Amino acid sequence: QKEVEQNSGPLSVPEGAIASLNCTYSDRGSQSFFWYRQYSGKSPELIMFIYSNGDKEDGRFTAQLNKASQYVSLLIRDSQPSDSATYLCAVSKAAGNKLTFGGGTRVLVKP
Amino acid sequence: DAGITQSPRHKVTETGTPVTLRCHQTENHRYMYWYRQDPGHGLRLIHYSYGVKDTDKGEVSDGYSVSRSKTEDFLLTLESATSSQTSVYFCAISASNNSNSNQPQHFGDGTRLSIL
Repeated sequence: QKEVEQNSGPLSVPEGAIASLNCTYSDRGSQSFFWYRQYSGKSPELIMFIYSNGDKEDGRFTAQLNKASQYVSLLIRDSQPSDSATYLCAVSKAAGNKLTFGGGTRVLVKP
Repeated sequence: DAGITQSPRHKVTETGTPVTLRCHQTENHRYMYWYRQDPGHGLRLIHYSYGVKDTDKGEVSDGYSVSRSKTEDFLLTLESATSSQTSVYFCAISASNNSNSNQPQHFGDGTRLSIL
């Protein structure tokens, strides 16, 4: 079992719709959770981070964390073609803040 | 954008040659990291540093060494490059410290390394 798992996709979403991405992790000691966006040929770019159970909203993005069920999700509202990218979930146990990444979910937003 | 510069951006070299990649930051952050990204494996941590001369291994450290003689520079060295080390290498920095260890990491633009 991989430590951090994501559906590789592609997740195809009509423009204006909500994209829902999920990530599960195996280590219950995980404390910090991050979502990165990566365009093809570019570096990962931080979108959201969440530390506590519940929802955290930032613009069109909402991160949801459920530590009991060991999953973290990312919602993208009013999806735009520019949101087409690979979204990486990353998890840290805090010590050294070392990140373990999932394989990423490719999102395609179609006009 | 976080002040992170990776050099070189692209490099092609031959098996058996030494290679050094440089990561330079202007943020004065304590933590610096080296990752590699490969299809089917995602991003994997190679080594990281939590201060000058303080480094530790990551998930895929075999065949790599690092050095950090100044806060701003973190070097990754492949002593004798192999074709399996062909990859895209990313440096990351974090403002984490002893009292707040969960700060996000920010990534440089990457180095595309090809070993023939």
